[in-house]
Amino acid sequence: DSGVTQTPKHLITATGQRVTLRCSPRSGDLSVYWYQQSLDQGLQFLIQYYNGEERAKGNILERFSAQQFPDLHSELNLSSLELGDSALYFCASSVGTLGLNEQYFGPGTRLTVT
Amino acid sequence: DAKTTQPPSMDCAEGRAANLPCNHSTISGNEYVYWYRQIHSQGPQYIIHGLKNNETNEMASLIITEDRKSSTLILPHATLRDTAVYYCIVRVGGGAQKLVFGQGTRLTINP
Repeated sequence: DSGVTQTPKHLITATGQRVTLRCSPRSGDLSVYWYQQSLDQGLQFLIQYYNGEERAKGNILERFSAQQFPDLHSELNLSSLELGDSALYFCASSVGTLGLNEQYFGPGTRLTVT
Repeated sequence: DAKTTQPPSMDCAEGRAANLPCNHSTISGNEYVYWYRQIHSQGPQYIIHGLKNNETNEMASLIITEDRKSSTLILPHATLRDTAVYYCIVRVGGGAQKLVFGQGTRLTINP
């Protein structure tokens, strides 16, 4: 158990819909990262937040957005869903942004778009 | 971040040492070598990292060559639960800390 929690575990929805994935980082961790893992693209970094502010952006679509709240939990919002958005979405957390902090990953949310 | 090359798959007998190689010939002086693994579809798990010295923790040992162009992750007594995809990642320390995952090595531990 990494200490990072993600909800829901599974999500099935239809094309065109909007969903919200939630992540609670480990106690004391200020940085949250979102990754997407699909069969054809592998594990890809989407976005990072540190103490409520966006710090780095990766291959995140404009239809996707994220935020980190004052209690440090984070939400990833996916809208106008397409079949290709079906994937595992992982959240990870680390202590901060400076220095070498290993990332601890949650169990993931499996999104299926039908 | 430097690119890494890993064999796509490896097999190892249970109880033996599993040695997973990684090439990172374009590594820069300020880049660290990280290893993560992913068991089935679980979240990736941090294993170990190093800069130039060999490192050991309760999970594994990391051997980095003197020129730092390659490294080997060693699982000293592999068990069936070590069957996973192992990712070697090279990245700078500090700043934005995204992890860039390659295809990794699928390690199968056989009974």
